[in-house]
Amino acid sequence: GAVVSQHPSWVICKSGTSVKIECRSLDFQATTMFWYRQFPKQSLMLMATSNEGSKATYEQGVEKDKFLINHASLTLSTLTVTSAHPEDSSFYICSARVSKRDRHNYGYTFGSGTRLTVV
Amino acid sequence: DAKTTQPPSMDCAEGRAANLPCNHSTISGNEYVYWYRQIHSQGPQYIIHGLKNNETNEMASLIITEDRKSSTLILPHATLRDTAVYYCIGGQGAQKLVFGQGTRLTINP
Repeated sequence: GAVVSQHPSWVICKSGTSVKIECRSLDFQATTMFWYRQFPKQSLMLMATSNEGSKATYEQGVEKDKFLINHASLTLSTLTVTSAHPEDSSFYICSARVSKRDRHNYGYTFGSGTRLTVV
Repeated sequence: DAKTTQPPSMDCAEGRAANLPCNHSTISGNEYVYWYRQIHSQGPQYIIHGLKNNETNEMASLIITEDRKSSTLILPHATLRDTAVYYCIGGQGAQKLVFGQGTRLTINP
């Protein structure tokens, strides 16, 4: 089935630094990817929709200058958390729109997530 | 995207069928009903989806009411590994998936 690889799985960074999270589609081309954030015991909150070769579309309330999204190729989207602060500590998950369909994965597939801790 | 409503939590005994309900009264005619689950600290896992007809795969069955205002996900023989948060989502085409609060299913030994 369609697989999305997300890296790193966890990261600890100092306050004020930037962190990049990568999301790769391994066996399919993903023209559209989505980035979510999840706080403990809460649901996934959509942050932005990333389209290959164009600017990302951010959800209301998400700071585009703080969460930089780049989707430069059909297999890679990156999320950079700039000038991270402790309140940015969260679980970040990417998802890709699956262009091919099989019985194991239809429509959307998700990465395994990145646990970001800002100290 | 259709708004969905699910019970916040459910319990089920191991080996029994787990039936998870979902209300999606505002779903439009061309929106699919997707079910995903999330095991702690992992990304969501696809379970099943449907439009009008009932669906079955190796993981679960999906029963959609004739008026499409609600559906039920059935895990026929629940195991401890099925303990997770289950999300019912209405979505269509290239639209983004918007997650509700889901149902926290606990399978008890």
